[in-house]
Amino acid sequence: GQNIDQPTEMTATEGAIVQINCTYQTSGFNGLFWYQQHAGEAPTFLSYNVLDGLEEKGRFSSFLSRSKGYSYLLLKELQMKDSASYLCAVRYYNTNAGKSTFGDGTTLTVKP
Amino acid sequence: ETGVTQTPRHLVMGMTNKKSLKCEQHLGHNAMYWYKQSAKKPLELMFVYSLEERVENNSVPSRFSPECPNSSHLFLHLHTLQPEDSALYLCASSQGRQQGGPDTQYFGPGTRLTVL
Repeated sequence: GQNIDQPTEMTATEGAIVQINCTYQTSGFNGLFWYQQHAGEAPTFLSYNVLDGLEEKGRFSSFLSRSKGYSYLLLKELQMKDSASYLCAVRYYNTNAGKSTFGDGTTLTVKP
Repeated sequence: ETGVTQTPRHLVMGMTNKKSLKCEQHLGHNAMYWYKQSAKKPLELMFVYSLEERVENNSVPSRFSPECPNSSHLFLHLHTLQPEDSALYLCASSQGRQQGGPDTQYFGPGTRLTVL
């Protein structure tokens, strides 16, 4: 089966940097995604890692280590609008359509 | 706006009702998904369709019946639901593995379902 762990809640200050960790155990790994989900809204795609290393997209960066089954999402220059749930999802394939297993999500609260 | 729309956005139904959720994607994708998101629980994959063929049914009770008439439309037919089925139902689409690339899933806004 697939198993994903991420912290339930985190709090950070506006303008600061926060790192949200995700560990996973999976078979047939084919990529790791990070999504942002504001309360009452759909998840929106943030980043994707399939190879080891760091992917940077503006204020957001995501890192992957496949050997360690570990990823993190780094958010810089935090803004109040970054308060949301951040979902780590592992993608794997056994058909022509991929399957994603999602973590429980990390609720990030950004304070002034 | 992700290019995936869902209707209705909110639905309240009794346990004996029959209703349908609709999803439409305008992205030219080949794969479509239904997820269930309950409070305090992770997203749960329910069904996967690839090129209009159901390729995954994740042990979902038969009171949920999916239908994919073409690659742009996906339905979830509901009947004889239970109160514990109250949740946010999310539709997603992706290009599909055969296209290569990350096969990112794009989500619709969801239908908030309440079963009385």
